[in-house]
Amino acid sequence: KAGVTQTPRYLIKTRGQQVTLSCSPISGHRSVSWYQQTPGQGLQFLFEYFSETQRNKGNFPGRFSGRQFSNSRSEMNVSTLELGDSALYLCASSPWSQGRGNEQFFGPGTRLTVL
Amino acid sequence: AQTVTQSQPEMSVQEAETVTLSCTYDTSENNYYLFWYKQPPSRQMILVIRQEAYKQQNATENRFSVNFQKAAKSFSLKISDSQLGDTAMYFCAFMKQGDFNKFYFGSGTKLNVKP
Repeated sequence: KAGVTQTPRYLIKTRGQQVTLSCSPISGHRSVSWYQQTPGQGLQFLFEYFSETQRNKGNFPGRFSGRQFSNSRSEMNVSTLELGDSALYLCASSPWSQGRGNEQFFGPGTRLTVL
Repeated sequence: AQTVTQSQPEMSVQEAETVTLSCTYDTSENNYYLFWYKQPPSRQMILVIRQEAYKQQNATENRFSVNFQKAAKSFSLKISDSQLGDTAMYFCAFMKQGDFNKFYFGSGTKLNVKP
């Protein structure tokens, strides 16, 4: 099975722009989560989707949004980019619907640089 | 809120030796899950080991084992017979039951295995 894929792998934007990142989960996985990884704040949970519904959300401003499509692919959008949004954005997928702490499979990430 | 603390930013170990990475967490929950994830340089995060809080028996996966002390809220990872391929960032993570893949990560420990 192919792993979790994320596109693009690298992205450079300027302040004030918006960006859309894409994540394709492992085939058959219906849960997709997003994390932001920075040297200062570490790994922080953004949100989780299952069957096109957001089930969980972290403490990020409304500039960060996401969605999931019927094929389980997910996108996250960041509007009005700030310098502090520079980070590695990780996507993870899981086949499970219940919150029983099953393994999440991570993608390689999208490295976003905001200038 | 849940917090996860990894107090060792960086550690080194000689090949074939044993090393223990520390992790403590703070929670008022009784049912939860704990994980160790490995992030090799420029590669994807992968699950090393998983522990369910209601299980008293410590989890083991080949050369990897944990020492789970629920009362002390401690979850350390022991790597036996260290190999060069174990060089990576190691993250401890917590998820409360029913929280739909919302992981709380520690700040990570960079492990260097020396030949």
